[in-house]
Amino acid sequence: KQEVTQIPAALSVPEGENLVLNCSFTDSAIYNLQWFRQDPGKGLTSLLLIQSSQREQTSGRLNASLDKSSGRSTLYIAASQPGDSATYLCAANQAGTALIFGKGTTLSVSS
Amino acid sequence: DTAVSQTPKYLVTQMGNDKSIKCEQNLGHDTMYWYKQDSKKFLKIMFSYNNKELIINETVPNRFSPKSPDKAHLNLHINSLELGDSAVYFCASSQYQSYEQYFGPGTRLTVT
Repeated sequence: KQEVTQIPAALSVPEGENLVLNCSFTDSAIYNLQWFRQDPGKGLTSLLLIQSSQREQTSGRLNASLDKSSGRSTLYIAASQPGDSATYLCAANQAGTALIFGKGTTLSVSS
Repeated sequence: DTAVSQTPKYLVTQMGNDKSIKCEQNLGHDTMYWYKQDSKKFLKIMFSYNNKELIINETVPNRFSPKSPDKAHLNLHINSLELGDSAVYFCASSQYQSYEQYFGPGTRLTVT
Protein backbone atom coordinates (compact mmCIF):
# COMPACT_ATOMS: atom_id res chain seq x y z
CA LYS A 1 0.00 0.00 0.00
CA GLN A 2 1.41 3.36 -1.09
CA GLU A 3 2.48 5.73 1.66
CA VAL A 4 3.65 9.30 1.10
CA THR A 5 5.77 11.18 3.61
CA GLN A 6 6.74 14.84 3.59
CA ILE A 7 9.63 16.29 5.55
CA PRO A 8 9.81 18.72 7.22
CA ALA A 9 6.28 19.24 8.53
CA ALA A 10 6.97 22.95 8.92
CA LEU A 11 9.64 25.31 7.62
CA SER A 12 10.36 28.97 8.30
CA VAL A 13 12.74 30.95 6.13
CA PRO A 14 13.57 34.61 5.52
CA GLU A 15 12.55 36.17 2.25
CA GLY A 16 14.92 35.56 -0.62
CA GLU A 17 16.14 32.13 0.45
CA ASN A 18 16.10 29.16 -1.87
CA LEU A 19 14.49 26.12 -0.28
CA VAL A 20 13.71 22.47 -0.88
CA LEU A 21 10.66 20.53 0.22
CA ASN A 22 10.94 16.76 0.34
CA CYS A 23 8.47 14.04 -0.50
CA SER A 24 9.05 10.29 -0.35
CA PHE A 25 6.83 7.39 -1.42
CA THR A 26 7.05 3.69 -0.65
CA ASP A 27 5.86 2.17 -3.94
CA SER A 28 7.86 3.26 -6.99
CA ALA A 29 5.16 2.04 -9.41
CA ILE A 30 3.63 5.47 -9.72
CA TYR A 31 1.91 6.91 -12.78
CA ASN A 32 2.71 10.49 -11.87
CA LEU A 33 3.37 12.73 -8.89
CA GLN A 34 1.58 16.01 -8.31
CA TRP A 35 2.55 18.97 -6.13
CA PHE A 36 -0.15 21.23 -4.73
CA ARG A 37 -0.35 24.42 -2.75
CA GLN A 38 -3.05 25.01 -0.14
CA ASP A 39 -3.63 28.39 1.47
CA PRO A 40 -5.42 28.48 4.86
CA GLY A 41 -9.13 27.81 4.46
CA LYS A 42 -8.77 27.41 0.70
CA GLY A 43 -8.76 24.64 -1.86
CA LEU A 44 -5.81 22.98 -3.57
CA THR A 45 -3.96 24.62 -6.42
CA SER A 46 -1.99 22.32 -8.68
CA LEU A 47 1.60 23.52 -9.03
CA LEU A 48 3.41 20.86 -11.00
CA LEU A 49 2.77 17.36 -12.25
CA ILE A 50 5.65 15.01 -13.10
CA GLN A 51 4.95 11.96 -15.21
CA SER A 52 6.73 8.75 -14.19
CA SER A 53 8.89 8.98 -17.32
CA GLN A 54 10.09 12.50 -16.47
CA ARG A 55 12.87 13.62 -14.17
CA GLU A 56 11.75 17.18 -13.52
CA GLN A 57 9.26 19.92 -14.28
CA THR A 58 9.65 23.68 -13.97
CA SER A 59 7.19 26.51 -13.59
CA GLY A 60 8.57 29.96 -12.87
CA ARG A 61 10.48 29.84 -9.58
CA LEU A 62 9.37 26.28 -8.90
CA ASN A 63 11.20 23.15 -9.94
CA ALA A 64 10.04 19.65 -9.06
CA SER A 65 12.19 16.57 -9.50
CA LEU A 66 11.32 12.90 -9.42
CA ASP A 67 13.53 9.90 -8.68
CA LYS A 68 11.36 6.81 -8.89
CA SER A 69 14.14 4.39 -8.02
CA SER A 70 14.74 6.03 -4.67
CA GLY A 71 11.07 6.90 -4.12
CA ARG A 72 11.70 10.62 -3.79
CA SER A 73 10.51 13.92 -5.16
CA THR A 74 11.65 17.41 -4.27
CA LEU A 75 10.08 20.81 -4.80
CA TYR A 76 12.64 23.57 -5.13
CA ILE A 77 11.47 27.14 -4.60
CA ALA A 78 13.89 29.83 -5.69
CA ALA A 79 14.09 33.31 -4.15
CA SER A 80 11.22 32.71 -1.73
CA GLN A 81 8.68 35.47 -1.11
CA PRO A 82 6.14 36.06 1.69
CA GLY A 83 3.42 35.19 -0.82
CA ASP A 84 4.85 31.68 -1.02
CA SER A 85 3.68 31.03 2.55
CA ALA A 86 1.24 28.13 2.39
CA THR A 87 1.03 24.39 2.89
CA TYR A 88 2.62 22.34 0.12
CA LEU A 89 1.26 18.87 -0.54
CA CYS A 90 2.66 16.12 -2.69
CA ALA A 91 0.52 13.27 -3.95
CA ALA A 92 1.41 10.06 -5.72
CA ASN A 93 -0.86 8.69 -8.41
CA GLN A 94 -0.81 5.02 -9.31
CA ALA A 95 -2.65 3.52 -12.26
CA GLY A 96 -6.22 2.73 -11.37
CA THR A 97 -6.22 4.58 -8.07
CA ALA A 98 -6.72 8.09 -6.75
CA LEU A 99 -4.09 10.43 -5.32
CA ILE A 100 -2.31 9.36 -2.14
CA PHE A 101 -1.34 12.49 -0.25
CA GLY A 102 1.42 13.31 2.17
CA LYS A 103 0.58 15.36 5.24
CA GLY A 104 2.16 18.47 3.80
CA THR A 105 4.88 20.96 4.64
CA THR A 106 3.72 24.29 6.02
CA LEU A 107 6.02 27.01 4.75
CA SER A 108 6.34 30.44 6.32
CA VAL A 109 8.43 33.09 4.53
CA SER A 110 9.14 36.19 6.59
CA SER A 111 9.84 39.61 5.11
CA ASP B 1 -14.61 30.53 -15.40
CA THR B 2 -14.87 28.09 -12.51
CA ALA B 3 -13.45 24.70 -13.46
CA VAL B 4 -14.62 22.62 -10.48
CA SER B 5 -17.31 24.10 -8.28
CA GLN B 6 -18.93 22.87 -5.09
CA THR B 7 -22.03 23.93 -3.20
CA PRO B 8 -22.44 24.83 -0.48
CA LYS B 9 -19.12 26.25 0.65
CA TYR B 10 -20.11 26.00 4.30
CA LEU B 11 -22.58 23.61 5.88
CA VAL B 12 -23.50 23.63 9.56
CA THR B 13 -25.97 21.03 10.72
CA GLN B 14 -26.97 18.95 13.70
CA MET B 15 -26.23 15.33 14.43
CA GLY B 16 -28.66 12.92 12.85
CA ASN B 17 -29.53 15.14 9.90
CA ASP B 18 -29.12 14.18 6.24
CA LYS B 19 -27.26 16.54 3.92
CA SER B 20 -25.93 16.69 0.37
CA ILE B 21 -22.95 18.39 -1.23
CA LYS B 22 -22.94 19.06 -4.95
CA CYS B 23 -20.01 19.17 -7.36
CA GLU B 24 -19.86 20.22 -10.98
CA GLN B 25 -16.96 20.41 -13.41
CA ASN B 26 -16.95 22.20 -16.75
CA LEU B 27 -13.64 20.77 -17.96
CA GLY B 28 -15.14 17.91 -19.93
CA HIS B 29 -13.37 15.39 -17.71
CA ASP B 30 -14.40 11.75 -17.47
CA THR B 31 -13.35 11.08 -13.88
CA MET B 32 -14.47 12.74 -10.65
CA TYR B 33 -13.46 12.23 -7.03
CA TRP B 34 -14.46 13.01 -3.47
CA TYR B 35 -11.71 13.56 -0.89
CA LYS B 36 -12.02 14.25 2.83
CA GLN B 37 -9.62 16.52 4.71
CA ASP B 38 -9.76 15.87 8.42
CA SER B 39 -9.02 18.19 11.32
CA LYS B 40 -5.32 17.40 11.01
CA LYS B 41 -5.44 18.55 7.38
CA PHE B 42 -4.83 15.04 6.04
CA LEU B 43 -6.47 14.42 2.64
CA LYS B 44 -7.84 11.01 1.82
CA ILE B 45 -9.79 9.61 -1.13
CA MET B 46 -13.38 8.54 -0.51
CA PHE B 47 -14.88 7.80 -3.92
CA SER B 48 -14.13 8.05 -7.61
CA TYR B 49 -16.45 7.86 -10.61
CA ASN B 50 -15.49 7.35 -14.22
CA ASN B 51 -18.19 8.07 -16.78
CA LYS B 52 -20.86 7.82 -14.08
CA GLU B 53 -19.54 4.45 -12.91
CA LEU B 54 -18.15 3.96 -9.40
CA ILE B 55 -14.53 2.83 -9.66
CA ILE B 56 -13.06 3.61 -6.26
CA ASN B 57 -14.90 3.10 -2.98
CA GLU B 58 -12.57 3.38 -0.02
CA THR B 59 -13.46 2.26 3.48
CA VAL B 60 -16.17 4.81 4.10
CA PRO B 61 -19.30 4.34 6.25
CA ASN B 62 -22.29 3.41 4.12
CA ARG B 63 -23.98 6.56 5.44
CA PHE B 64 -22.01 8.23 2.63
CA SER B 65 -23.50 7.71 -0.82
CA PRO B 66 -22.12 9.32 -3.96
CA LYS B 67 -24.31 9.86 -6.98
CA SER B 68 -23.26 10.83 -10.50
CA PRO B 69 -26.20 11.85 -12.67
CA ASP B 70 -23.86 12.64 -15.57
CA LYS B 71 -20.16 12.99 -16.29
CA ALA B 72 -20.07 16.62 -15.18
CA HIS B 73 -21.66 16.12 -11.76
CA LEU B 74 -20.80 14.12 -8.68
CA ASN B 75 -22.87 14.64 -5.55
CA LEU B 76 -22.26 13.34 -2.05
CA HIS B 77 -25.16 12.50 0.21
CA ILE B 78 -24.58 11.87 3.90
CA ASN B 79 -27.20 10.24 6.12
CA SER B 80 -27.44 10.42 9.92
CA LEU B 81 -24.59 12.87 10.32
CA GLU B 82 -22.17 12.32 13.20
CA LEU B 83 -19.75 14.66 14.96
CA GLY B 84 -16.83 12.82 13.35
CA ASP B 85 -18.09 13.73 9.89
CA SER B 86 -16.99 17.32 10.48
CA ALA B 87 -14.30 17.98 7.90
CA VAL B 88 -13.62 19.71 4.61
CA TYR B 89 -14.82 17.73 1.60
CA PHE B 90 -13.12 18.32 -1.73
CA CYS B 91 -14.35 17.38 -5.14
CA ALA B 92 -11.83 16.89 -7.95
CA SER B 93 -11.81 15.84 -11.56
CA SER B 94 -9.34 14.56 -14.15
CA GLN B 95 -9.55 13.94 -17.87
CA TYR B 96 -9.03 10.25 -17.35
CA GLN B 97 -8.22 8.13 -14.34
CA SER B 98 -4.65 8.78 -13.09
CA TYR B 99 -4.32 12.02 -15.04
CA GLU B 100 -3.72 15.46 -13.46
CA GLN B 101 -6.45 16.30 -10.97
CA TYR B 102 -8.14 19.65 -10.47
CA PHE B 103 -9.77 20.44 -7.17
CA GLY B 104 -12.83 22.41 -6.16
CA PRO B 105 -12.76 25.01 -3.36
CA GLY B 106 -14.03 22.57 -0.73
CA THR B 107 -17.10 22.34 1.47
CA ARG B 108 -16.54 22.83 5.19
CA LEU B 109 -19.02 20.62 7.03
CA THR B 110 -19.57 21.22 10.74
CA VAL B 111 -21.78 18.83 12.66
CA THR B 112 -22.95 20.06 16.07
